[in-house]
Amino acid sequence: KQEVTQIPAALSVPEGENLVLNCSFTDSAIYNLQWFRQDPGKGLTSLLLIQSSQREQTSGRLNASLDKSSGRSTLYIAASQPGDSATYLCAVQNSGNTPLVFGKGTRLSVIA
Amino acid sequence: GAGVSQSPSNKVTEKGKDVELRCDPISGHTALYWYRQSLGQGLEFLIYFQGNSAPDKSGLPSDRFSAERTGGSVSTLTIQRTQQEDSAVYLCASSLRRGNGYTFGSGTRLTVV
Repeated sequence: KQEVTQIPAALSVPEGENLVLNCSFTDSAIYNLQWFRQDPGKGLTSLLLIQSSQREQTSGRLNASLDKSSGRSTLYIAASQPGDSATYLCAVQNSGNTPLVFGKGTRLSVIA
Repeated sequence: GAGVSQSPSNKVTEKGKDVELRCDPISGHTALYWYRQSLGQGLEFLIYFQGNSAPDKSGLPSDRFSAERTGGSVSTLTIQRTQQEDSAVYLCASSLRRGNGYTFGSGTRLTVV
C-alpha cells in the first residue's frame, strides 16, 4: 500500500528565503507525482505535475524534483513571499487508473 | 465550465438526515474523484469514476455513502443518516485522461450537528 510522508509538518520562514519541502513515498513504482497548494478553507490548486519519466518541473519560482528510485520529491520555493503562505500537499498516482494518494501536507508561513 | 464546480459550498445538517453533494467536472474530463478531508487529517479517497467503467468504490467508509455519475458528467455524492463523524470537507476532482493532473473543486464543507 502506497504511503506518502511530508516533512516538515509546519515551517515558518522570513520573507525572501529560499526553502525546500520534502515528500517521500514507499512504493517507487509511481505513474506521476503532483504538488498542490491549499489555502485555508479553500480547495486544492495544482502547482506542478511530474510524470514518472521526468526528473523535474519548473513554474516561476517553484521547482519540483523527482527521484523515483529513492522514493523522494522536493518542492523548492525561491525568494519566498507572504503570499506563499499555505499548506503544500504532495500526492502520487501508482497508475493512470488509480486515485492519488496524498501526504498530510506541510503548512508554510512566510513572515514579512 | 472553466473549473470544477461543487455545490453547496457549505451545508449544515442534523444528525440522521440525508445529504446530497454535487460536483460538475470540467467539460470533457472522463475521470472524476471524490475525496474527504477531515479536520487535521489528510485527504481520504472515497470513489472514482472513469468513463463508462464501473466505479471504484473501495474508499467509501460505509454503506451510508453512495455516489453516481449521470451521463458521464455531473456526479452526486449521497450520505444517508448522517453522523457527526461525517463532518468534513468533501472535495471533487476531475482529470482529462490517464496521466493528466487533477483539477479540484473548492469543496463542500459539511457540518453535522
